[in-house]
Amino acid sequence: DVKVTQSSRYLVKRTGEKVFLECVQDMDHENMFWYRQDPGLGLRLIYFSYDVKMKEKGDIPEGYSVSREKKERFSLILESASTNQTSMYLCASSLLDFSGNTIYFGEGSWLTVV
Amino acid sequence: GEDVEQSLFLSVREGDSSVINCTYTDSSSTYLYWYKQEPGAGLQLLTYIFSNMDMKQDQRLTVLLNKKDKHLSLRIADTQTGDSAIYFCAETRAGTGRRALTFGSGTRLQVQP
Repeated sequence: DVKVTQSSRYLVKRTGEKVFLECVQDMDHENMFWYRQDPGLGLRLIYFSYDVKMKEKGDIPEGYSVSREKKERFSLILESASTNQTSMYLCASSLLDFSGNTIYFGEGSWLTVV
Repeated sequence: GEDVEQSLFLSVREGDSSVINCTYTDSSSTYLYWYKQEPGAGLQLLTYIFSNMDMKQDQRLTVLLNKKDKHLSLRIADTQTGDSAIYFCAETRAGTGRRALTFGSGTRLQVQP
């Protein structure tokens, strides 16, 4: 059974804290993505990676960074968390060419910044 | 940049057909997708269409693609209360670099008994 696993389902952090959200996939996918989902705004792409140590900015990268040291793991980092980063974060992975239905999502991480 | 656009809300009666519309941005998108999200649940891939197709049918679902207008639609026949959810369209958009999956804001479908 294929899996995208997000390490933390629910987190509460204080303003200014450094936050790590971890995502691991076991399908040997080249692409990995981080999105945030907010009501009425859909899923907005923060960053994605198409290979180890490679990354590209999505639509809303400000306030975030990412790390991909190994193919199976893609980390989202909030250097200094702020209340406007309270959201649900979704990780996804896919084959490089997106062929067909080979895109898989994690269960999501609910982050509250107080 | 441009957004993938969807209307926010659609209400239908049980047994009617639902049509959810989407306007996407990248004419070179190779795949276009429809996802469903039920309350408190993750994203479920409903169907997808390859860009060289005009239509795809899968049981109660029909996807229509108009590449000239960059318009995608999802028709649900005989809509049931279990179809109540948020529906997202998504495209594989090429930005300044590699392609990424980009979503619309979602259409909340409410099915009334």
